[in-house]
Amino acid sequence: EPEVTQTPSHQVTQMGQEVILRCVPISNHLYFYWYRQILGQKVEFLVSFYNNEISEKSEIFDDQFSVERPDGSNFTLKIRSTKLEDSAMYFCASSPGLAGEQFFGPGTRLTVL
Amino acid sequence: AQSVSQHNHHVILSEAASLELGCNYSYGGTVNLFWYVQYPGQHLQLLLKYFSGDPLVKGIKGFEAEFIKSKFSFNLRKPSVQWSDTAEYFCAVILSGGYNKLIFGAGTRLAVHP
Repeated sequence: EPEVTQTPSHQVTQMGQEVILRCVPISNHLYFYWYRQILGQKVEFLVSFYNNEISEKSEIFDDQFSVERPDGSNFTLKIRSTKLEDSAMYFCASSPGLAGEQFFGPGTRLTVL
Repeated sequence: AQSVSQHNHHVILSEAASLELGCNYSYGGTVNLFWYVQYPGQHLQLLLKYFSGDPLVKGIKGFEAEFIKSKFSFNLRKPSVQWSDTAEYFCAVILSGGYNKLIFGAGTRLAVHP
């Protein structure tokens, strides 16, 4: 069964450094998402992406964040200058259509020191 | 702001006990409703979903949920839990016109003892 994959599983970085989190969505899906979960808090929506552009973003998704689909398979989340409060589990998801089931990857645990 | 509330943060049950996890949402319009489960060390996976039609929906592994529109609720049930149901359970909604943004509840950690 096809799955969403994410790399790395754990990333440790220094405050102020740039990080890129990578995701490979399910191949025939059209909608892509990033969510995050800070330890002990809810899973929060960051951004959705369709047809090579952002379709919706949350207030968390400020200028420090960007997303890209550089080729036909990868979907990346970049944080330009990480802050301590960016430490969280970041989940990528994809869906074949609008408002339907989203398939989640295993997550990347980001630790900012 | 629209939100999803899960009433129980931690639930401990013995095997064969019945389970009901509460979920309420605050939004007056049309919603799509979901329950996701995260087993230890695994990723979020869909248990069941409700878009329209019969408000009692059946999912995988013997789980079901009932949508009660008048109560803005979508409670998850299982008549007899197993040790393998130990996991974290998340209720989530997509609002009409909300593109695909899933709004999650805080999650309920279920521990089932043999």
